[in-house]
Amino acid sequence: SAVISQKPSRDICQRGTSLTIQCQVDSQVTMMFWYRQQPGQSLTLIATANQGSEATYESGFVIDKFPISRPNLTFSTLTVSNMSPEDSSIYLCSVDGLAFQETQYFGPGTRLLVL
Amino acid sequence: GEDVEQSLFLSVREGDSSVINCTYTDSSSTYLYWYKQEPGAGLQLLTYIFSNMDMKQDQRLTVLLNKKDKHLSLRIADTQTGDSAIYFCAESISNAGNMLTFGGGTRLMVKP
Repeated sequence: SAVISQKPSRDICQRGTSLTIQCQVDSQVTMMFWYRQQPGQSLTLIATANQGSEATYESGFVIDKFPISRPNLTFSTLTVSNMSPEDSSIYLCSVDGLAFQETQYFGPGTRLLVL
Repeated sequence: GEDVEQSLFLSVREGDSSVINCTYTDSSSTYLYWYKQEPGAGLQLLTYIFSNMDMKQDQRLTVLLNKKDKHLSLRIADTQTGDSAIYFCAESISNAGNMLTFGGGTRLMVKP
């Protein structure tokens, strides 16, 4: 399986500010995804990060609020823009398996608290 | 649309077997997964099963799939206190680009 790291691991931010979360994989992967896990909830897919083109967003998520970059096959960023307390969540990136792309492996997550 | 449901909570004694259940609605699911999330940690892929299989066993873990009833279960034999975590089932659909749909998670508490 791929080794996935995220930065920062946690942060406390003021409302109205923006935070960029980085996801780094130790090998090239085809698919990278960003999920949100609100407190006590399950995971919800935000978007698929496409290399070399705009991300594909799920219903309820828009590019202005969650801009995503994917400059290459090992790295992606998710920005949470103009934050409000409702954005307090764990944000996780995931990647498809290498030999078996139907699996997905998750990063450790970024815990965000917005005051 | 797809919908994956799990019971919220399960409590067992150490050494007993745990069975965590999951139901899904989309009959075009290709793979079904079980993930484990320990407190303060990310998701760990435990096991997965292809939709044309009925059962998969991996050490203490047994996955049963009833495709007719759209029911998936995870049995943990000889449950240990280190198994205490939240367990998520998830499904992927062949025409949805590997997107996973997650259940709400089942919190497993193992009592000594």
